[in-house]
Amino acid sequence: SQQGEEDPQALSIQEGENATMNCSYKTSINNLQWYRQNSGRGLVHLILIRSNEREKHSGRLRVTLDTSKKSSSLLITASRAADTASYFCASYNQGGKLIFGQGTELSVKP
Amino acid sequence: DADVTQTPRNRITKTGKRIMLECSQTKGHDRMYWYRQDPGLGLRLIYYSFDVKDINKGEISDGYSVSRQAQAKFSLSLESAIPNQTALYFCATSDPGTAYEQYFGPGTRLTVT
Repeated sequence: SQQGEEDPQALSIQEGENATMNCSYKTSINNLQWYRQNSGRGLVHLILIRSNEREKHSGRLRVTLDTSKKSSSLLITASRAADTASYFCASYNQGGKLIFGQGTELSVKP
Repeated sequence: DADVTQTPRNRITKTGKRIMLECSQTKGHDRMYWYRQDPGLGLRLIYYSFDVKDINKGEISDGYSVSRQAQAKFSLSLESAIPNQTALYFCATSDPGTAYEQYFGPGTRLTVT
């Protein structure tokens, strides 16, 4: 069973536009993480937001967390072709296992 | 050099064969994990180990076994490979001191024919 559900499953935008990906989760969390995966490669950790935080920034990334709605969003501003990748949210379940969403496949066209 | 390495990177094997995937890390982390990734299904946890003497089953452990030979090494075995084990396999490590961020290897693409 998956802790996170992501929306949309795929997103195609032009370079320079903003990309927003959403994640909903099922149980209470201590933190929620976002990872990026370039095609066929290992996941890379992008950003972590704790349950007592509502918003966090890292460069062109902005993550929000709404614990009342059990949802998070990842915004990539001024997207670049190099941002083309799959993005996953993940959070730990009560058994201590990191559970990933199905991912959003982002395509940024030059 | 990469912090988490996996060998082999690609492997094609036949149904019924035994195969081992290896993972090594230089991060000094106690916790190591094996995941498989299938299109549209995200990552699913196969086994995890919180230290050398601690091995735990994940979400989809049937058909797999693991060995934690040292803090730095965690191997995944398919005793008798079957075609539906064709997938991308990832090893990962974590250290509780970094709020459980996980560090992933480059993956092994396994095809069972």
